[in-house]
Amino acid sequence: AQSVTQPDIHITVSEGASLELRCNYSYGATPYLFWYVQSPGQGLQLLLKYFSGDTLVQGIKGFEAEFKRSQSSFNLRKPSVHWSDAAEYFCAVGAGGYQKVTFGTGTKLQVIP
Amino acid sequence: DTAVSQTPKYLVTQMGNDKSIKCEQNLGHDTMYWYKQDSKKFLKIMFSYNNKELIINETVPNRFSPKSPDKAHLNLHINSLELGDSAVYFCASSRGDHNEQFFGPGTRLTVL
Repeated sequence: AQSVTQPDIHITVSEGASLELRCNYSYGATPYLFWYVQSPGQGLQLLLKYFSGDTLVQGIKGFEAEFKRSQSSFNLRKPSVHWSDAAEYFCAVGAGGYQKVTFGTGTKLQVIP
Repeated sequence: DTAVSQTPKYLVTQMGNDKSIKCEQNLGHDTMYWYKQDSKKFLKIMFSYNNKELIINETVPNRFSPKSPDKAHLNLHINSLELGDSAVYFCASSRGDHNEQFFGPGTRLTVL
């Protein structure tokens, strides 16, 4: 069965600083990987996805993520964080087809001035 | 032109009552989902429908009954509500088998 681990429950960064959110997955084959963001009181919005091909994927709002098969990781990065990036971030793994997508427990990002 | 919409946004009710949540998507997707997000933000899939057919049914109490009248709609009916049912329920949809899901704004259910 697939699983996702987000080791950091809560991260605080200064505005303008760089950001890296960690995600490790467990899945036997090539996974479908996602990062979603949830602002307070809102639904989840897809930031980026990896299905195949280039292991460095670009997403919306200046985010990128890198798939590293050897480390079973799909970490999310942003070079310069804005106050509006404060939110909950979820990593997710799917098997493709019509199989379910499994979400991590989320990382709450706080941005300080 | 909301992509995935849910009604109601908030639902406060007494234990033992029966309630429904409705979901509609206008994206032309063929697969729809219900998720439950608890107070710790843990997001767990409950059901998935593809072309009105149930394809994922996680270990959810049978008090929860989804219904998909057509590809664009997926409703969730809950019987005999319990305190533990309090959560935010999200509807989502996706196209084909890409797993990329679009989420609705959520329905916050509070059972008193």
